[in-house]
Amino acid sequence: DGGITQSPKYLFRKEGQNVTLSCEQNLNHDAMYWYRQDPGQGLRLIYYSQIVNDFQKGDIAEGYSVSREKKESFPLTVTSAQKNPTAFYLCASTGLHSNQPQHFGDGTRLSIL
Amino acid sequence: AQKITQTQPGMFVQEKEAVTLDCTYDTSDPSYGLFWYKQPSSGEMIFLIYQGSYDQQNATEGRYSLNFQKARKSANLVISASQLGDSAMYFCAMRDVNTNAGKSTFGDGTTLTVKP
Repeated sequence: DGGITQSPKYLFRKEGQNVTLSCEQNLNHDAMYWYRQDPGQGLRLIYYSQIVNDFQKGDIAEGYSVSREKKESFPLTVTSAQKNPTAFYLCASTGLHSNQPQHFGDGTRLSIL
Repeated sequence: AQKITQTQPGMFVQEKEAVTLDCTYDTSDPSYGLFWYKQPSSGEMIFLIYQGSYDQQNATEGRYSLNFQKARKSANLVISASQLGDSAMYFCAMRDVNTNAGKSTFGDGTTLTVKP
């Protein structure tokens, strides 16, 4: 079945460490997104990408970085510059038509050690 | 800029009753899509229903229907015959057809609790 796979499900970061969250999709979608969700809150857009080798900052990009070397993959790196990384991270993708919803992965919960 | 407002942080409904979750939006674009998603406590986001800005009829999907009032810029979700499994957070979102990459704007969500 087509879908989005995020890994790992849980991740712990030490002080000063960079960590990378994986996001893979086999839906043949062009656009991919990363969101951050704090407890009881809505989704905030970190980065998004429309095509391979191109991506744009969202509303809260500071302390994060991404790459889009393949259509299927859109990994997110949480750098040591992100001082408050504890959150739930969701990856999503969608097709070109305006009536297409975003498809989401199951998320990664990141915590500080 | 687009904006989605969900004014109900939390809602309670008795099992088997209907409930309406409010959503108002703001955009200057004539073409847009409105979506509702459900997020159970496990965290995954589940697409529920879609309404296009030019659709003449309100969207329905099983127990879900969308009360779309374009002039008032509202797109309320109606859940009929609530079930315990409907307890979750619900998000309203808008996709601008003119925005690159299909970016969507999400509301802050409404937490629905279904009481037995």
